Amino acid sequence: KNEVEQSPQNLTAQEGEFITINCSYSVGISALHWLQQHPGGGIVSLFMLSSGKKKHGRLIATINIQEKHSSLHITASHPRDSAVYICAVEDFGNEKLTFGTGTRLTIIP
Amino acid sequence: DVKVTQSSRYLVKRTGEKVFLECVQDMDHENMFWYRQDPGLGLRLIYFSYDVKMKEKGDIPEGYSVSREKKERFSLILESASTNQTSMYLCASSAASRLNTEAFFGQGTRLTVV
Repeated sequence: KNEVEQSPQNLTAQEGEFITINCSYSVGISALHWLQQHPGGGIVSLFMLSSGKKKHGRLIATINIQEKHSSLHITASHPRDSAVYICAVEDFGNEKLTFGTGTRLTIIP
Repeated sequence: DVKVTQSSRYLVKRTGEKVFLECVQDMDHENMFWYRQDPGLGLRLIYFSYDVKMKEKGDIPEGYSVSREKKERFSLILESASTNQTSMYLCASSAASRLNTEAFFGQGTRLTVV
């Protein structure tokens, strides 16, 4: 079973700062997902990637398959980015996800 | 706008009650999932269904059962609720594919068992 670790567990930053959240996993995967969970519980998928880099607005996700590591970056952070960010991995031939425990991000105005 | 809808946002039930959590998706997805989320533990898979009437146990199925009589609906059943089942429950769906597919989540049901 894949082991997924995220760091940091909690992150507080000032508005405008560049944010990096890290995710590492133990076994090769077919895809990695970054999810966002706002207070209240609903989860939204941000990215799904299997190689390289993806960008959507101020969010950038990268993955290094050889190092079994992914990062989620937020540029020009804003208080509305405050949420829990969750990394999840999909093993080969398995449609189930294994989740990290999440990173709680707080952006202070 | 694609949707996964859970029947309740908040539920309070008594110990020993039978509890039904309902989830409906409108994307014609084959796969549906029930997770629970607890502080410090992340999301853990309770049950998974890959087709109507088909189900597979996840990592923590004890104390739960599921039902999938129609493709769009996946129900989680707590046969006799206990206080250690107080948690946030999340339903998700995805398309069946050999290629990676995005998962869509419901808004969550926060269940308190007293």
